Amino acid sequence: GDSVTQMEGPVTLSEEAFLTINCTYTATGYPSLFWYVQYPGEGLQLLLKATKADDKGSNKGFEATYRKETTSFHLEKGSVQVSDSAVYFCALSDSAGNMLTFGGGTRLMVKP
Amino acid sequence: DTAVSQTPKYLVTQMGNDKSIKCEQNLGHDTMYWYKQDSKKFLKIMFSYNNKELIINETVPNRFSPKSPDKAHLNLHINSLELGDSAVYFCASSQEGSGNTIYFGEGSWLTVV
Repeated sequence: GDSVTQMEGPVTLSEEAFLTINCTYTATGYPSLFWYVQYPGEGLQLLLKATKADDKGSNKGFEATYRKETTSFHLEKGSVQVSDSAVYFCALSDSAGNMLTFGGGTRLMVKP
Repeated sequence: DTAVSQTPKYLVTQMGNDKSIKCEQNLGHDTMYWYKQDSKKFLKIMFSYNNKELIINETVPNRFSPKSPDKAHLNLHINSLELGDSAVYFCASSQEGSGNTIYFGEGSWLTVV
């Protein structure tokens, strides 16, 4: 079945540091890929998505590129802020778009 | 207006009780879901409904019973609650189709004591 693997956290960075959170996937067909963010005590919010190979999703300074050849969708941000501290989830939806399969989540802690 | 709303947000109850979590979406979506997030933040789908019909039913104890009175609502009823049911339950919705975004509610924090 489909699966998503992302780097374990926590990831601790200083403000303005460069962020990479790795995500790789296993899926049949042509999944769509997503990054969701969960701030402390809150629900899941869509951060960005890409629906086909070589697409780049971007939002709030974050970006990720759908790499079919490496089955990856790594999340990057050039300069993190304290307010970016949250848990980040990589996810894929199957070809029919019926459900999301999530990675285990990566906690990001940004210190001033 | 909240797109996907679920109630209650917090629920503390004793083992053996029966409880329900309600969910409503005002996005006009035809597909709704329930996800469970455990204490390690791992998210797993429980159920999916499309136009009031069950389309995904993962391995979930039959104490959990979803009910969809119409396509804007998907409620979750849990019988004979156990300590292991303590988790955050997320309702979500989407329009059917590949690549469509799934929108989540704010979660219901269930604690069984």
